[in-house]
Amino acid sequence: AQTIHQWPVAEIKAVGSPLSLGCTIKGKSSPNLYWYWQATGGTLQQLFYSITVGQVESVVQLNLSASRPKDDQFILSTEKLLLSHSGFYLCAWSLPGDWGDEQYFGPGTRLTVL
Amino acid sequence: QQNVQQSPESLIVPEGARTSLNCTFSDSASQYFWWYRQHSGKAPKALMSIFSNGEKEEGRFTIHLNKASLHFSLHIRDSQPSDSALYLCAVITGGLSGKLTFGEGTQVTVIS
Repeated sequence: AQTIHQWPVAEIKAVGSPLSLGCTIKGKSSPNLYWYWQATGGTLQQLFYSITVGQVESVVQLNLSASRPKDDQFILSTEKLLLSHSGFYLCAWSLPGDWGDEQYFGPGTRLTVL
Repeated sequence: QQNVQQSPESLIVPEGARTSLNCTFSDSASQYFWWYRQHSGKAPKALMSIFSNGEKEEGRFTIHLNKASLHFSLHIRDSQPSDSALYLCAVITGGLSGKLTFGEGTQVTVIS
């Protein structure tokens, strides 16, 4: 069975500090990977997607970056947090090659920027 | 740029009633249409999808798609308190990514 794990569960960070969020998927080879962001009370927005190791495409510019250092790992980061980065960050995966397929979401990381 | 709108914003329905949720999209090239459900503080989870015009039923849930009208809907028969959640419609246009564009959601509350 496939499992998706995100870390940390929650973070409280200061404006201007760096951030690194992680996601791992076990039990599925070469999945498509995605990062989403949901502001409190806001719409769920796709930020990045990746179809293979080392390749990441940006969907929305939010002064964030993403990397896929391993087949089963997806990292979201920034060097300087803004207040507007607060929200719920979700990692998701889907089967390789089928763009219309279901996306499976991780449990999420709740980020508060003060 | 895909624009996905949901209505109503919120809904309170009595247990056992039918719940109807609507979603409109702007890109006529859209290919895949999904409904997700998100309980408070949790990750969204897919309910069901439809890819061609018409209707699809799975248990108490029915999805309708009319591409010409740029509209699809979700109907829940015999609504239960456990159906209380935020319902998100999502559209995939296609191309080289599984970019899901989500609507803002309809908050459904089923009361006993």
